[in-house]
Amino acid sequence: EAGVAQSPRYKIIEKRQSVAFWCNPISGHATLYWYQQILGQGPKLLIQFQNNGVVDDSQLPKDRFSAERLKGVDSTLKIQPAKLEDSAMYLCASSHDRGRGGYTFGSGTRLTVV
Amino acid sequence: KNEVEQSPQNLTAQEGEFITINCSYSVGISALHWLQQHPGGGIVSLFMLSSGKKKHGRLIATINIQEKHSSLHITASHPRDSAVYICAVFDPPGSGNTGKLIFGQGTTLQVKP
Repeated sequence: EAGVAQSPRYKIIEKRQSVAFWCNPISGHATLYWYQQILGQGPKLLIQFQNNGVVDDSQLPKDRFSAERLKGVDSTLKIQPAKLEDSAMYLCASSHDRGRGGYTFGSGTRLTVV
Repeated sequence: KNEVEQSPQNLTAQEGEFITINCSYSVGISALHWLQQHPGGGIVSLFMLSSGKKKHGRLIATINIQEKHSSLHITASHPRDSAVYICAVFDPPGSGNTGKLIFGQGTTLQVKP
C-alpha cells in the first residue's frame, strides 16, 4: 500500500511570499489532516477534512492559511502571505474514518521563511 | 497544563541501555499512539494501544487506563533508535468531537555508541 505522499519536501521563501503544499492520502481514507509542527513541539492540528468537507479548522489562521480537498482525495494547504513564525514542518496524515484504526503520516514539508 | 505530558523531554543513553519514556494524559481516550520521528523526516506509527501491553522487536508499549499513563520501553538500545518519540492520545468522534489526536511535546532520544 502506498503511503501518504507530500510535496515538496523542503521550501524556503521570503516573508510575505506565498507557498502551497500538496498531500495525497492513502487510497480510500476518508479523513485527512494537516498539522503544523514547530521545532521542539508536538504537532498542532490545523485542519481536518472528512471526504471533501471541513470538520475542524478551529486552529487554522484563516487570515493567511487556506486549505481545500475538492474531490475528497488529495489536498492543498496554502499560506499567503507567509510570516517568519510560519517556519515549521507541515505534516499531512490520513485515516480510514476519523482516526478509527489508526493514522498514516506523510514525510512532511519543511518550510523556512526568511 | 498540557493534556498530554511526556517525560523526560530529552534523554541520552549509551548503546545497549534499557530506555523508558513516560506519557501521562488528563483526557478520556479510546486509544493511545506512540510515534517515532527521525530528524527531518515524517512520523511513523509504532504502536496503537487501548489496554495492556504490545511488543514489536525491541520496543514494548504499556498502558494503564485507570492511571492514565503509558510507557514506551526500548531494550538493548542502538544509535539508530535516536529519534523523537511522541505520545498522542485519540479523542474519539462523538458528542461534538471530530476525532483527533492530542499530541505530547515529544521526547528527544540520543543513543551514543
